[in-house]
Amino acid sequence: EVQLVESGGGLVKPGGSLRLSCAASGFTFSSYSMNWVRQAPGKGLEWVSSISSSSSYIYYADSVKGRFTISRDNAKNSLYLQMNSLRAEDTAVYYCAAGVAFDYWGQGTLVTVSS
Amino acid sequence: SYVLTQPPSVSVAPGQTARITCGGNNIGSKSVHWYQQKPGQAPVLVVYDDSDRPSGIPERFSGSNSGNTATLTISRVEAGDEADYYCQVWDSSSDHYVFGTGTKVTVL
Repeated sequence: EVQLVESGGGLVKPGGSLRLSCAASGFTFSSYSMNWVRQAPGKGLEWVSSISSSSSYIYYADSVKGRFTISRDNAKNSLYLQMNSLRAEDTAVYYCAAGVAFDYWGQGTLVTVSS
Repeated sequence: SYVLTQPPSVSVAPGQTARITCGGNNIGSKSVHWYQQKPGQAPVLVVYDDSDRPSGIPERFSGSNSGNTATLTISRVEAGDEADYYCQVWDSSSDHYVFGTGTKVTVL
């Protein structure tokens, strides 16, 4: 059974940092590109970042470029998102998703940026 | 930046057909994916590469893409199809994924 489990969300003050993790199982993680998608409360889906299977290609949404860093560890079947200089508008549920078409999704982790 | 426009809402009676459009400049030249999201749940891929279905997705879900409009069609709509639906493409000119604005499907 395919599983993606996000962790690391929580409450953080503006300007603070958080590191999200996504643990994958049930599929060949090292063969899949991976992605982060977020959804602010009551809003639509917003793509955040993507990383190719071997980390050769990395892409970011303009809204997070320079503040967020995506990475992966294929030996640990894990995906990460380092989030720095957080703003109130980064408040959202963050999902990890696998594939070029986002075939598999985790259940999400909530990040709240508030003083 | 590339923009995908969807109608905010579509209402359909059970057993009828729902059509959800996704408009974008020359979207017919891109591969379109569609996701279903029910309240409190993660999105689920229902159509990929314009018209292919992942395993486990009913044949009632189909997709098409031409010109400036992609369409997700749900035939013989059931109460369980009530959800938000999002289209998505990869915009190679900006190296960005783009999601549509989302459509809430209500089953009357």
